[in-house]
This record gives sequence, C-alpha cells and structure tokens, in this order.
Amino acid sequence: GAVVSQHPSRVICKSGTSVKIECRSLDFQATTMFWYRQFPKQSLMLMATSNEGSKATYEQGVEKDKFLINHASLTLSTLTVTSAHPEDSSFYICSAREASGGTQETQYFGPGTRLLVL
Amino acid sequence: AQSVTQLDSHVSVSEGTPVLLRCNYSSSYSPSLFWYVQHPNKGLQLLLKYTSAATLVKGINGFEAEFKKSETSFHLTKPSAHMSDAAEYFCVVSEAGTASKLTFGTGTRLQVTL
Repeated sequence: GAVVSQHPSRVICKSGTSVKIECRSLDFQATTMFWYRQFPKQSLMLMATSNEGSKATYEQGVEKDKFLINHASLTLSTLTVTSAHPEDSSFYICSAREASGGTQETQYFGPGTRLLVL
Repeated sequence: AQSVTQLDSHVSVSEGTPVLLRCNYSSSYSPSLFWYVQHPNKGLQLLLKYTSAATLVKGINGFEAEFKKSETSFHLTKPSAHMSDAAEYFCVVSEAGTASKLTFGTGTRLQVTL
C-alpha cells in the first residue's frame, strides 16, 4: 500500500517550453501533496504544499507563476514548469499524505521526475 | 524553527560490519523524526519513523534508530551491512502543527565494500 507514482520519469525539453509533471496516489486518498526539488548530490528542498481544492502554498523564493500547481482531486496533483530554462533542470519529487487526519501522518514519495532543459 | 544536521556526508563500511549514521535535530516543539533512503535515480523510501511512542524504533531491512531527547539525536544503526544498503540516507524532522512540513538533512552517502 501507500504507493505514489509520477509521470513522466524523465523529460527533455527545449528552453521556453512548458512541462507538466503528474503525481498520483495509487491506493490512498491524499488531501495534501508536496513538491520537492533536488539538485545533484544535494538534499530535497520543499517547493510548495498542495491541498486538494485550494491554492498551493509556496515556499519562500519559489515563483508561483513559474511553477504552477494544481491539485484537482484527492489522487492527483500536477506541477507545470512554465517557460522552462536550463536552470530549471533538476530532479522533481512529489509526496502525498494520507487523508486520515492529523498533522503527523507519513509522507509517501514518488519515484521522481528528471527534467533536462536544453 | 526546525533543522536537522547529518554529521557525516559519507560513510564507508565493510559488508557484515555495523552501520552508524548520525543525525542531530533542532525543534521548538515535539518533533516527529524519520529516516528515508534513496537509491540512485530513485524516489525516497521510508525506513522508519518516530512519533513520540517508543524511543527505540525498528524499521525495514534491519535498520533501527533511537530517539534521545537529552542529546537531540536520532542516529540510524544496523548490526550488519549488506551490499544492497549502499544508498543515500536522509534524516528528516517534522514539527507538530506544521501540517507535515518536512525538513531534510543534507544526506549521508553509505558505501558498502566487500
């Protein structure tokens, strides 16, 4: 149980184009999903917290107009990198928290999406 | 504010010998603490978590960690390393009331040699 998937696993795009990454909780409902970014050989940095049916909460320094997040259902959140540039190249990882109440529930992580912008 | 310090960026052990990955935390409130493992180009897998129950937490694959409030530590141990344990390990803290916002340590790369 508690499986989170991401699609695509790897994407290469040209500079200036937009890329959409999907995060799905496969066997549970997630009221909250999180989006992280990981640079090579570095730790994960939280980008934003996504709550189903409401606007995402972005961390300081993360451009909300560049990284569009939609959490339309209890099993799906999407991250769209708009007008991507080479500096956006990174490993993007999502996580999902079960909709069972409480604030200390475990987060389950997706396998990540590697984005390369040429 | 919460923070996590992983004291070693790289640890190398021989197969069959014990593993110790060190983690110290800082938290204003009662924290929850986690250890996650990440294999190359993969997502994160939860090894174990502490949420104010028993201070000695047993996880998957033979790993365990002990929460020591007096030392603000949550070190990860395993009695005998296996080659498949080679990976990146992250110590993570979450404070009560932060809606599960996780703060990650910088990671420790575990190398297991023959």
